[in-house]
Parts: sequence; structure tokens; C-alpha cells
Amino acid sequence: QSALTQPASVSGSPGQSITISCTGTSSDVGGYNYVSWYQQHPGKAPKLMIYEVSNRPSGVSNRFSGSKSGNTASLTISGLQAEDEADYYCRSCTSSNTVVFGGGTKLTVL
Amino acid sequence: EVQLVESGGGLVQPGGSLRLSCAASGFTFSDYWMNWVRQAPGKGLEWVANIKEDGSEKHYVDSLKGRFTISRDNAKNSLYLQVNSLRADDTAVYYCARGLRRNLYWGQGTLVTVSS
Repeated sequence: QSALTQPASVSGSPGQSITISCTGTSSDVGGYNYVSWYQQHPGKAPKLMIYEVSNRPSGVSNRFSGSKSGNTASLTISGLQAEDEADYYCRSCTSSNTVVFGGGTKLTVL
Repeated sequence: EVQLVESGGGLVQPGGSLRLSCAASGFTFSDYWMNWVRQAPGKGLEWVANIKEDGSEKHYVDSLKGRFTISRDNAKNSLYLQVNSLRADDTAVYYCARGLRRNLYWGQGTLVTVSS
């Protein structure tokens, strides 16, 4: 049950695009299409942004997109806005119905 | 409207115990896996445990097995986490979250502080 690997921080200017990676193993990210991504602002509960690798819940901007290749999933945010500045976490189910989160990535909008 | 409301947190001495609760409303509680997720101050999210719809299957993060116990009462639409032998590094906000494959709904969290 090792945490998924995410970069500690990423940054971008308003209007730019950024991508956050999430690397696991064939027992979690690589084995199933149950990768989800969460946005968390300080002092708030996490918010689901992407589920099942690339699906957006109702109400989430289409500037957010997800993909997966092998054992690595990615979250891309296009047209960066100031309000996107937050922490982002990936999450995956595993073969034994346990769950693992990534270590989190702090996004700074310059 | 789906709501998850945690309670039961507070200040506890090292070695002590607490029972955290999560009251669910706005959906058919017995149709969903439920989870506990915690977040230490300034740290990332850590999945703690989950439980199947009927309570027949429970899973825990390896590092907490034996000290934490997840349970549910579908008649009361409630999820529980019994936490024993608490240590300083158990200090965290504890969230309940709905679902196995994704967590669309989260509570606001309850803070557990372990300190003498």
C-alpha cells in the first residue's frame, strides 16, 4: 500500500496549461480504470474533479481533463485561472478493494 | 441533498480511544461503500479504511490494522470508526467519504488531536 507518486509542486501562468502526473503500479493505477482526481483548497474538504480516469462530474469545468498510460495517470488543467490554485490528489482503487492516494501536488498560479 | 456529517473528534491523551461517527442523509446509505480518510496538519490525504454496503467486507491501510475498526449501522444511516491506542501521529482531520471507485461526496471532517 505505497502512496502513488505525484510531483510536490507545479506552477503556471494564467491562461497556460499544466499537467500533474500520478504514478503507481500494475496493482492500482495500471490495473484498473478507477483513477480519480481531487482538488482541495485550504481548510476545505476535497472535491472530485475527474473519475474513472477521464470523466468529469456534473459541474466541473471542461478545462479539467484526465488520461492514463500504463501505470501513470495525468490531470491536465487548461486555461489556468487563479481559482485553480489548490492542492490536487490522485486516488486509485486496488485489486483488493483497498484505496491509495497520491502524496498531493500544490498548484501555484503565478 | 446528500450530506455527510462527522462527529466525535476532540482532544485525547496518548493511549486513549475515540469513536468517530458519520451521519449520512439524502441517499440510500445501504447502497454504497463508505470510507474514512484522514489528513494530518499540513499533510496529504491518507485513506484509512472502507466497508462494503452490507458490512460484510472491511479493509484497512496496513499501518493502522489492529488499532482502528470501521463499522456501519444501515438502520441508522451511520458510519463509525473506533480508534484505539491513539498516538500523536494520529492527530488529523478525519473525513468520511462515499463510494468505492470514486468519492463524490465528503463530510466536512472532524478533528482528532492526540496530546497530553
